[in-house]
Amino acid sequence: SSELTQDPAVSVALGQTVRITCQGDSLRNYFPSWYRQRPGQAPLLVIYAKNNRPSGVPDRFSASTSGNTAFLTITGAQAEDEADYYCNCRDSSADHWVFGGGTKLTVL
Amino acid sequence: QVQLQESGPGRVKSSETLSLTCTVSGGAISSYYWSWIRQPAGKGLEWIGRVYPSGSTNYNPSLKSRVTMSIDTSKNQFSLKLNSLTAADTAVYYCARFQGYCSNTYCQKYFDLWGRGTLVTVSS
Repeated sequence: SSELTQDPAVSVALGQTVRITCQGDSLRNYFPSWYRQRPGQAPLLVIYAKNNRPSGVPDRFSASTSGNTAFLTITGAQAEDEADYYCNCRDSSADHWVFGGGTKLTVL
Repeated sequence: QVQLQESGPGRVKSSETLSLTCTVSGGAISSYYWSWIRQPAGKGLEWIGRVYPSGSTNYNPSLKSRVTMSIDTSKNQFSLKLNSLTAADTAVYYCARFQGYCSNTYCQKYFDLWGRGTLVTVSS
């Protein structure tokens, strides 16, 4: 089976750049998708297909990968970006999908 | 626009079977995969499985023995059944559209639309 590991918590000063990481063997074969979840809300897709943003997601959100690690970067973090962020990727060996444990982003 | 709405009992008894339905409005259920995802209070997301309009399914290996998903294209609905419930199954259950994207070099699937979620509490 495959696991995706995320740092439990990250903080960033308002207006600064923050990178949220996601590690796992399946990332060597597949790009992850990324989701933002604010308290009491359903998750929202913010990045898909390597580095594509759905309509309405600000262009300060971007993604990249290197080896077994994927990164979600927020350039110029805003107060409204404070949320939990999850990566998701297909398992390398089977037709099932795995979420990372989530990263709680605090904007200071 | 396309919207998803979960429905089902908010409370079920331990050892019984949970049945949830997701109604898709504003668009056809055909041509897409559909998924269920759950989230215990204060914890992360867990993919439960996916179903295609043909009836084809894939499940999370950790839940596979207890899960059944089905789809009713005539009603634009898909459903989740989870049996042998325990307190560990208490969670918010989300339904989601499982969208696909392909470029020249790769394909990817992701959850582009989500329902608001429904809280299911398993009581003894």
